Amino acid sequence: DSGVTQTPKHLITATGQRVTLRCSPRSGDLSVYWYQQSLDQGLQFLIQYYNGEERAKGNILERFSAQQFPDLHSELNLSSLELGDSALYFCASSALGSGQETQYFGPGTRLLVL
Amino acid sequence: AQTVTQSQPEMSVQEAETVTLSCTYDTSESDYYLFWYKQPPSRQMILVIRQEAYKQQNATENRFSVNFQKAAKSFSLKISDSQLGDAAMYFCAYRVNDMRFGAGTRLTVKP
Repeated sequence: DSGVTQTPKHLITATGQRVTLRCSPRSGDLSVYWYQQSLDQGLQFLIQYYNGEERAKGNILERFSAQQFPDLHSELNLSSLELGDSALYFCASSALGSGQETQYFGPGTRLLVL
Repeated sequence: AQTVTQSQPEMSVQEAETVTLSCTYDTSESDYYLFWYKQPPSRQMILVIRQEAYKQQNATENRFSVNFQKAAKSFSLKISDSQLGDAAMYFCAYRVNDMRFGAGTRLTVKP
């Protein structure tokens, strides 16, 4: 158990809908990362937050957005969902968000868009 | 652009034997970090081992060790005394700022 929690574990929705994925980092970690793992794109970095502020952006679509709240939990919002958004979405956390730190991954949220 | 290449989509090893998984990366940076993550059927991403590029000594964690060749931009993972529980997808990753992952190698362990 990495100490990172993600809810829900599974999510099934329809095209065009909007969903919110939630992540709670390890105790004491200030930085949160979101990743998407799909069959055709592999594991891709989406976005990083540090202490409530966006720090780095990867291959995140404009239909997707994220935020980190004062209690350090983070939410990833996916809107206007398409079939291709079906994937496993991981959250990871680290203490300060620097490149040298190990990132600890949550169990993931499996999203299926029908 | 930094890219990570794992040239072996699948590998197989006999239980108790040794296997080496390959990883190469492309970068113009001199200071970076390399990781191997394991993803078992549960899909959880588990850190196996990490290496700092400024360290010449290869990292070791119990049965897992790396062969880090900075000039060749190579970072292979050696698993000794393979166990059934080692069966998983293994991802090599590179990080300066954001993390870049390879496509993964699926390791099968035969009893």
